Amino acid sequence: EPEVTQTPSHQVTQMGQEVILRCVPISNHLYFYWYRQILGQKVEFLVSFYNNEISEKSEIFDDQFSVERPDGSNFTLKIRSTKLEDSAMYFCASSEGQLGANVLTFGAGSRLTVL
Amino acid sequence: GEDVEQSLFLSVREGDSSVINCTYTDSSSTYLYWYKQEPGAGLQLLTYIFSNMDMKQDQRLTVLLNKKDKHLSLRIADTQTGDSAIYFCAESSNSGYALNFGKGTSLLVTP
Repeated sequence: EPEVTQTPSHQVTQMGQEVILRCVPISNHLYFYWYRQILGQKVEFLVSFYNNEISEKSEIFDDQFSVERPDGSNFTLKIRSTKLEDSAMYFCASSEGQLGANVLTFGAGSRLTVL
Repeated sequence: GEDVEQSLFLSVREGDSSVINCTYTDSSSTYLYWYKQEPGAGLQLLTYIFSNMDMKQDQRLTVLLNKKDKHLSLRIADTQTGDSAIYFCAESSNSGYALNFGKGTSLLVTP
């Protein structure tokens, strides 16, 4: 069964450092997403991406965050200058984007720890 | 923003039925979803229901939707130890494709 893969599974970084989280969505999917889950909190939407541009973003997705699809397979989330409160599990997802129910397939997540 | 609420923990005995409840506030929700997360894995879609339906059954899973009360439930019949996981309720509306999730309910199934 096709799956969404994410790397790294766990990253530890110092406050102020840049971090890039990588994702390989399902090959025939058109919509890509990043969500995050701070420990003990809800899964929060960050951004969606379609046709090489951001289609929707939340208030959390400020200027510190950026997304990119550098080639035909990867989808990346960059955090320019990490803060302690960026520590969370980051989930990538993709979907076909068909009308009706938007069925997202999620990756296993990348745990980011900011010290 | 719109809210999705779930109880955080549920413990049941193997063979019993589990009922996980969810409430939401967005009256424009068109689809409601249940996702399952096992340790170390991503969120896996279990089932979803369109807002004009009030029930959907899929093998051991039954979803009930009370749109008037904005209440969604997931019933797992004959719960097994392999059903132990975190279950997330989510909703989406016509306004976009983003899903709005709850905090998840941790289901523990004991022998």
